Amino acid sequence: DGGITQSPKYLFRKEGQNVTLSCEQNLNHDAMYWYRQDPGQGLRLIYYSQIVNDFQKGDIAEGYSVSREKKESFPLTVTSAQKNPTAFYLCASSIPVWSFYGYTFGSGTRLTVV
Amino acid sequence: QQQVKQSPQSLIVQKGGISIINCAYENTAFDYFPWYQQFPGKGPALLIAIRPDVSEKKEGRFTISFNKSAKQFSLHIMDSQPGDSATYFCAANEAGNTPLVFGKGTRLSVIA
Repeated sequence: DGGITQSPKYLFRKEGQNVTLSCEQNLNHDAMYWYRQDPGQGLRLIYYSQIVNDFQKGDIAEGYSVSREKKESFPLTVTSAQKNPTAFYLCASSIPVWSFYGYTFGSGTRLTVV
Repeated sequence: QQQVKQSPQSLIVQKGGISIINCAYENTAFDYFPWYQQFPGKGPALLIAIRPDVSEKKEGRFTISFNKSAKQFSLHIMDSQPGDSATYFCAANEAGNTPLVFGKGTRLSVIA
């Protein structure tokens, strides 16, 4: 079955530590996205990528970094510069950015600072 | 600046009743308006979507009503069921240009 796989499902980060969240899709979608979800805040865009080796900052990119070396993969690194990283992180993909067919989301990674 | 404003934040509906969630937007360039449904611990899933060339779209018990002049759109869930209890997000974007922007979500509880 085609879909998006996010791993790990739960992740714990110590203060000052960088962590990387994995996102892999086998849908052959060109565009991929990272959103952050906090209670009562909806989904806020962190980064997105329309094609391999290209990505753009979203509304809340500070303290995060991404790479897009393969079409299937779009990992997100939460750096120590992100002061409040505890949240639910969602990866999504779509055909192009301008798709009318909606986004396919992964099941998310819940990151907690300990 | 919130580009898509969603209300109410939470909603309790009796089984068999109608659930109504509203969204408003400012950007007149938006031309794609989807609704997503999210269950706890899961990612959102596309429920239904509309483009501004129609005023209503129905899929089963779910209907989107769209008012272009008022820059508002709403989701109606007819004959609401306990299994509809979830968080619902409206979203919008300029197709061909920008990623989706989401409302803050509505937590729906359908009680028997």
